[in-house]
Amino acid sequence: DAGVIQSPRHEVTEMGQEVTLRCKPISGHNSLFWYRQTMMRGLELLIYFNNNVPIDDSGMPEDRFSAKMPNASFSTLKIQPSEPRDSAVYFCASSPDRASYNEQFFGPGTRLTVL
Amino acid sequence: AQSVTQPDIHITVSEGASLELRCNYSYGATPYLFWYVQSPGQGLQLLLKYFSGDTLVQGIKGFEAEFKRSQSSFNLRKPSVHWSDAAEYFCAVGARGGADGLTFGKGTHLIIQP
Repeated sequence: DAGVIQSPRHEVTEMGQEVTLRCKPISGHNSLFWYRQTMMRGLELLIYFNNNVPIDDSGMPEDRFSAKMPNASFSTLKIQPSEPRDSAVYFCASSPDRASYNEQFFGPGTRLTVL
Repeated sequence: AQSVTQPDIHITVSEGASLELRCNYSYGATPYLFWYVQSPGQGLQLLLKYFSGDTLVQGIKGFEAEFKRSQSSFNLRKPSVHWSDAAEYFCAVGARGGADGLTFGKGTHLIIQP
């Protein structure tokens, strides 16, 4: 079975550019999570969806960040405009449903570098 | 608000020796607790989880963890480590079993000496 798929694996961009990160959750999973990992702040939950609907985006750092889930098999996290402090590893995770006791399955992450 | 503290940033253990990684949590209700492992350049893999019942839980790769409510701890243990256990280990707490997302500790970097 394919796990959570993220693309690109690495992204290098210049400050001010738009960045789009992509995620394909495991087929049949109804919940999707976006996390950010930095040395200073560790792993932080940015936003999560259930049945393609955003449930909580309180972790999104600024209005420059936006996330969408147009269908059950695809989600994007967009940063516009990007800044050097956005450099981090961004993880997507999916879970079978929003009931309790479910494991979150993580993708390999996208390493973003903003110059 | 919930929080997780992993007091050891780095731990070095000799191959074959026992291991204990510490985790303390702060949560107002019954916690749902997890340990994840991250190998370099990889995503996170679940080692084990605790929701209720027996406070000693078994996981994959020979790991176990013990939930101690009185100490607000969920320490990870392994009786004999292997070189392949070198990785970053994260403790996490979640409401409703993680259905609303997880709060992670900063992680402990495990180094295995030959």
